[in-house]
Amino acid sequence: AQTVTQSQPEMSVQEAETVTLSCTYDTSESDYYLFWYKQPPSRQMILVIRQEAYKQQNATENRFSVNFQKAAKSFSLKISDSQLGDAAMYFCAYFDGSNYQLIWGAGTKLIIKP
Amino acid sequence: DAGVIQSPRHEVTEMGQEVTLRCKPISGHDYLFWYRQTMMRGLELLIYFNNNVPIDDSGMPEDRFSAKMPNASFSTLKIQPSEPRDSAVYFCASSFGDRGVNEQFFGPGTRLTVL
Repeated sequence: AQTVTQSQPEMSVQEAETVTLSCTYDTSESDYYLFWYKQPPSRQMILVIRQEAYKQQNATENRFSVNFQKAAKSFSLKISDSQLGDAAMYFCAYFDGSNYQLIWGAGTKLIIKP
Repeated sequence: DAGVIQSPRHEVTEMGQEVTLRCKPISGHDYLFWYRQTMMRGLELLIYFNNNVPIDDSGMPEDRFSAKMPNASFSTLKIQPSEPRDSAVYFCASSFGDRGVNEQFFGPGTRLTVL
């Protein structure tokens, strides 16, 4: 069965600095999708970035980028120029095409220090 | 579009009572998902629908939980009777097309407290 592991329960970073959140997953599939979602204190789950496994190029969305290492089954999220509004729980998720479900990691709480 | 709408935002009830959570997905979306989030278990998929048809309810914890989607714009999650261990935040999410691989748009959630 596919699993998603986020080994960092909590991370902190100084405002304007760069932080990287780790995510690893386990799958025997070759084609799949990976996501990072953000959950601020308001509880709203918001998509941050999405990566298709067949694409070698790492996805980028403004200050957010991923380091996708398919062979290592690693999918880390880099946040550049951290802002106070980035403080949230961040969830990594893998799309399981066999049953059309998202498999979620346990989340990483990101704290931004002013 | 207003996004996924859930009601109520907060629900406090007593053990044994029936609870009904409601969800209106984004217009045009053909997948609808119900999740439960707790500190202990994280995000759990309870059930999902495709074109109003339940596809996988293996995540529904027990027979006390039931979900319906009578039409494309409305779904309910019912707990009867409710128990304190059902206390959690319940999310509804919707997406469209391509087997559900596209982005899931989440509602604001319903925080349920069962006393």
